Amino acid sequence: EAGVTQFPSHSVIEKGQTVTLRCDPISGHDNLYWYRRVMGKEIKFLLHFVKESKQDESGMPNNRFLAERTGGTYSTLKVQPAELEDSGVYFCASSQQPNQPQHFGDGTRLSIL
Amino acid sequence: GESVGLHLPTLSVQEGDNSIINCAYSNSASDYFIWYKQESGKGPQFIIDIRSNMDKRQGQRVTVLLNKTVKHLSLQIAATQPGDSAVYFCAENSGGTSYGKLTFGQGTILTVHP
Repeated sequence: EAGVTQFPSHSVIEKGQTVTLRCDPISGHDNLYWYRRVMGKEIKFLLHFVKESKQDESGMPNNRFLAERTGGTYSTLKVQPAELEDSGVYFCASSQQPNQPQHFGDGTRLSIL
Repeated sequence: GESVGLHLPTLSVQEGDNSIINCAYSNSASDYFIWYKQESGKGPQFIIDIRSNMDKRQGQRVTVLLNKTVKHLSLQIAATQPGDSAVYFCAENSGGTSYGKLTFGQGTILTVHP
């Protein structure tokens, strides 16, 4: 069984540019989550999809971040325009049910210059 | 080890020793807890989970203990191996309207010396 895959693994962009991160969850997992870890901080929740619907987006920092999951399969997280403080590692996870283990991808390391 | 500020607690052990990693959680309403292992350049890897109706759960070489009275979680690793060297995170699922949202601790660095 393929795990959670994220693309790209690294991204370096300049402040003000746009970046789109992609996550492919484990097949059959309706629940998909985005988290991020910024320098020196703990991993923080961003949002939770159940199929194509946003169940909880309480962790999204501001309206420069837009997450989508059209069709309820893969998800994208777009940052537009990127700011310096957006640098960090963005993780995606998926689970069959919300109260079951979440399995994580290896993350996208985002650097804003 | 407890998380303090930006500096991760560390634990150094010799190969073959048993390791105990501690975690304090914040929300008394949390009812599901997970331990993750993270190696350099990788994402968090699921190790073991426990629900609030249990106080102990065992896996292969790992045991998780839950003390709800003092909101404390621990991970015990038996016969620690060099491959166990990593950062270990506890995470809690607080339930309620945000069910699914995990809150992570800052992590503990485990170093196993051959």
